[in-house]
Amino acid sequence: AQSVTQLDSHVSVSEGTPVLLRCNYSSSYSPSLFWYVQHPNKGLQLLLKYTSAATLVKGINGFEAEFKKSETSFHLTKPSAHMSDAAEYFCVVSDDNYQLIWGAGTKLIIKP
Amino acid sequence: DGGITQSPKYLFRKEGQNVTLSCEQNLNHDAMYWYRQDPGQGLRLIYYSQIVNDFQKGDIAEGYSVSREKKESFPLTVTSAQKNPTAFYLCASSIGQGADEKLFFGSGTQLSVL
Repeated sequence: AQSVTQLDSHVSVSEGTPVLLRCNYSSSYSPSLFWYVQHPNKGLQLLLKYTSAATLVKGINGFEAEFKKSETSFHLTKPSAHMSDAAEYFCVVSDDNYQLIWGAGTKLIIKP
Repeated sequence: DGGITQSPKYLFRKEGQNVTLSCEQNLNHDAMYWYRQDPGQGLRLIYYSQIVNDFQKGDIAEGYSVSREKKESFPLTVTSAQKNPTAFYLCASSIGQGADEKLFFGSGTQLSVL
């Protein structure tokens, strides 16, 4: 069965420093993987998506994620954090019926 | 503007009461979904509908009901059988299929019990 684990419930970085949000998955086949962002009391927006093409995926707002099959990881990164990046981020894997399995989320806090 | 509209933004339920959350989309999408979001947990699927007049239970359908009489509308009723209804509820619609499916989310309804 597919599952997804976000390793940190909260990540705090200073504005202008790099962001790393960690995600590990388990899947019996080559999955599709997603990162979504949710700003406070808002709906979710797709940041980026991996579907077996290039392993380094570029998303919106300067975020990118790298699919590493050997490590079963799909960590989200950004070179320089901005105050507007403060939000909750969800890593998602699709199962073999294309149903989405959501991680528990990581709250990103940006310190001025 | 095309999009998904959820209403109300905040809703309060009394003990033993049924309440209905509205979800309307003007994106002409066939598929629509209801998710429940609890603090510290990922989204959990309540119900989904791939086409008008048809819907399927998700992972946590007990205590909820839906209807899909029109393509644009997918209301969710939280019944008195749902003993822990306090949560943030998200409606979504989607375009595409399988690995190409793309979800669009509404801005959510926060339901609380009085």
